Amino acid sequence: ELKVEQNPLFLSMQEGKNYTIYCNYSTTSDRLYWYRQDPGKSLESLFVLLSNGAVKQEGRLMASLDTKARLSTLHITAAVHDLSATYFCAVDPLGNAGNMLTFGGGTRLMVKP
Amino acid sequence: DSGVTQTPKHLITATGQRVTLRCSPRSGDLSVYWYQQSLDQGLQFLIQYYNGEERAKGNILERFSAQQFPDLHSELNLSSLELGDSALYFCASSVEPGQGYNEQFFGPGTRLTVL
Repeated sequence: ELKVEQNPLFLSMQEGKNYTIYCNYSTTSDRLYWYRQDPGKSLESLFVLLSNGAVKQEGRLMASLDTKARLSTLHITAAVHDLSATYFCAVDPLGNAGNMLTFGGGTRLMVKP
Repeated sequence: DSGVTQTPKHLITATGQRVTLRCSPRSGDLSVYWYQQSLDQGLQFLIQYYNGEERAKGNILERFSAQQFPDLHSELNLSSLELGDSALYFCASSVEPGQGYNEQFFGPGTRLTVL
């Protein structure tokens, strides 16, 4: 059974600081997705990572994928309050007939002024 | 706005009842997925349909069923409801499964409360 683990589960940080969220998964995959969810809202797609070494950046967020280590990271640079949300990584394992996603437990990020 | 629509937004019902959740995928998307989000189980895949056919099943209870209609909208039926079924139910859609880059776009969700 595929397991996807994120850490930390909760992150409180000051504005202007940098931090990294980690996503480990237990099976072979070269397709990993990051989503953002605001409280009570839907999931917004942030990044799609499709190969080993993939790196994507959007504003203060940068995501990377290491398929050999089965690890993805979401790096936050100079955090601002607007980034406060819950971030999920999701894995689409190789050989998946469809592409249903297995989600990590989420990282709740709170950025304090 | 992802282009995926779900109705209703909120649903409050009693134990033992049956409800139907509806989803319309983005224009052009053939695949529909249903996910359940609850505090204790997190986000879990329930079931997937592609162009009217069931494609994959996840942790879906026997009391739950789904279908995708010729116009590609999908319905998730939940019956004999229990308190533990209270959750946020999301529908997502994508163009075609398993074809490399295949991003799923999520609807706004239906919040189900079982009293």
